[in-house]
Amino acid sequence: AQTVTQSQPEMSVQEAETVTLSCTYDTSESDYYLFWYKQPPSRQMILVIRQEAYKQQNATENRFSVNFQKAAKSFSLKISDSQLGDAAMYFCALQGGSEKLVFGKGTKLTVNP
Amino acid sequence: DTGVSQNPRHKITKRGQNVTFRCDPISEHNRLYWYRQTLGQGPEFLTYFQNEAQLEKSRLLSDRFSAERPKGSFSTLEIQRTEQGDSAMYLCASSLSDTQYFGPGTRLTVL
Repeated sequence: AQTVTQSQPEMSVQEAETVTLSCTYDTSESDYYLFWYKQPPSRQMILVIRQEAYKQQNATENRFSVNFQKAAKSFSLKISDSQLGDAAMYFCALQGGSEKLVFGKGTKLTVNP
Repeated sequence: DTGVSQNPRHKITKRGQNVTFRCDPISEHNRLYWYRQTLGQGPEFLTYFQNEAQLEKSRLLSDRFSAERPKGSFSTLEIQRTEQGDSAMYLCASSLSDTQYFGPGTRLTVL
C-alpha cells in the first residue's frame, strides 16, 4: 500500500519569510510522481508543483520549490517570500502504479502580516 | 480554457434519499476521477475513467455508489439510500496525462 504522511498539522509564517512543509511517503513503485496541492478555504484544490521521481533535479515554480530526497522518501515544499494569499491547506500527494492520487492529511498554513 | 466544473455545489438531503452529482472535465481531458474529502482529511480516491471505461474502483465505493461516463465526456456519481456517513465533499478531477486538475467540489450534507 502507498502512504503519504504530513507530520505538521499546522504551520505559520510571517509575510515575506520562508517556510518549509514536510512530507514523507512510502511506495514500492520505481516510477511515480509527487505533487503539492493548495486548497484555500472554501475554494478548489490547485496544483502547486509536481516532481517526477526519475528526475534528480528538484522542481521549482516561481516562489515554490521542493526538496526531493528519493532514498529518504521525503518531499518537502519550500515557499519563499510568503504572501497572504499563500494561506491555505497544503496537501502532498503521490501517484504511482495506478492513476489514483494518494493524499496526506494536509498542513494548514497561516501567513501573518 | 474552462476548468473542471461540478454541479450542484451544495446538496442537502434526507437520509435514505438518492442524490446525483455531475462533473464536466476540461474539454480535451480523457481521464476523469472522483474523490471524497471529509473534514480535516485529504481527498480519498473513489473511481477513475479513461474515456467511457471505468478502469478502477476503490473499496470505498460501496454498492450504493455508482458512477458513469456514458460518452466519455461528463460523468455522474449517484449515491443511493444516503446515510449520514456519506456527508462529505465530493471532488472531481480530470487529466490528459499525469497531472490531475480539480473542480470546486459538491458538498453533500445528509440529515
